[in-house]
Amino acid sequence: QKEVEQNSGPLSVPEGAIASLNCTYSDRGSQSFFWYRQYSGKSPELIMFIYSNGDKEDGRFTAQLNKASQYVSLLIRDSQPSDSATYLCASYSGGGADGLTFGKGTHLIIQP
Amino acid sequence: DTAVSQTPKYLVTQMGNDKSIKCEQNLGHDTMYWYKQDSKKFLKIMFSYNNKELIINETVPNRFSPKSPDKAHLNLHINSLELGDSAVYFCASSLGTGWTQPQHFGDGTRLSIL
Repeated sequence: QKEVEQNSGPLSVPEGAIASLNCTYSDRGSQSFFWYRQYSGKSPELIMFIYSNGDKEDGRFTAQLNKASQYVSLLIRDSQPSDSATYLCASYSGGGADGLTFGKGTHLIIQP
Repeated sequence: DTAVSQTPKYLVTQMGNDKSIKCEQNLGHDTMYWYKQDSKKFLKIMFSYNNKELIINETVPNRFSPKSPDKAHLNLHINSLELGDSAVYFCASSLGTGWTQPQHFGDGTRLSIL
């Protein structure tokens, strides 16, 4: 069974610091990984995705993937109060129009 | 410019009723999905369609019937609604199948069963 695990939090980070969000997955066949941000009562919004081992940077966000350890992370530099949200990690295992397998999300709070 | 739009946004109805949720995307995507997010915020795939053909049905009760009249639309009809169907239902779409194709979500339909 495919599973994606995240610490539900809340994770509290001071404004301006680096927020580090972590995710592990069970299916070694997972090919790509997605980070979504979801504000309360809103839809998931794609932040970035990664499918190669290593780091991928986009503005203040860096995704990190380690397939050997089955571990994905998202770093948010210079955290802002507007970054406060639930961050959902998702994996894609392929095989056609497969849906994403989501973790339960980490609730991030950026303290001003 | 709404990319993935769902209607209605809110749906309140009684147990045993039949209801439909509509989804449309104007992104030119080939693949569309329905997800259910329960009260614990856990988001789970229900169905996916690729070019109007059903690809996934993740052990969803047959009271739920998706219909895709064309690539841009994927509607969800639910018969004999039950209390456990209360959730937020999200429609999503992607350019195609494959591991490099991110999925884009609609704003969700909050279904409440009385």
